[in-house]
Amino acid sequence: DAGVIQSPRHEVTEMGQEVTLRCKPISGHDYLFWYRQTMMRGLELLIYFNNNVPIDDSGMPEDRFSAKMPNASFSTLKIQPSEPRDSAVYFCASSLGGESAFFGQGTRLTVV
Amino acid sequence: SQQGEEDPQALSIQEGENATMNCSYKTSINNLQWYRQNSGRGLVHLILIRSNEREKHSGRLRVTLDTSKKSSSLLITASRAADTASYFCATSFVQGAQKLVFGQGTRLTINP
Repeated sequence: DAGVIQSPRHEVTEMGQEVTLRCKPISGHDYLFWYRQTMMRGLELLIYFNNNVPIDDSGMPEDRFSAKMPNASFSTLKIQPSEPRDSAVYFCASSLGGESAFFGQGTRLTVV
Repeated sequence: SQQGEEDPQALSIQEGENATMNCSYKTSINNLQWYRQNSGRGLVHLILIRSNEREKHSGRLRVTLDTSKKSSSLLITASRAADTASYFCATSFVQGAQKLVFGQGTRLTINP
């Protein structure tokens, strides 16, 4: 398996634009997590899914953020409209049974 | 917050010395995990210790867990320059499903 795959690796966008981050988890994993990492706030859990169902989205900062998992092999995190304070590295991770999580390489988002 | 908190925030030692990092958390857990992150990369899982375990070893890593004190420690023995990285503890607990929440991390620098 190629591991957790995130795209794009880097994204630079203008304030107000829509941003979509993508994630392909490891095949067979039943948990998928979205995290955001900044120097100020560390690694924040935004939302996580179990068997494609969102379980807890209490970490999603605002209604501008939304996440979907239409099937077991794909998830998206969307920000609309984007703001400069959304600039961060966004990580997707997957695990089996909620145990050891495998992380993607992250998407570095810059909103100017 | 049910997030783990690492101590110290930063640690600098000489190559060959042992490095100890601590993690405290607030609620009952299913397991506690330690991860490593090299600059600009995704997190890599190091070791998992379950709530009914007290100590676990993996190579040069030793993890202890004290559920009565809600704390864990990670010991890296005979440190190497390549161990320079940030180390995070993550607590896994049931809240709907297996939620995985990370602490702020310890930045470890090994001086040659």
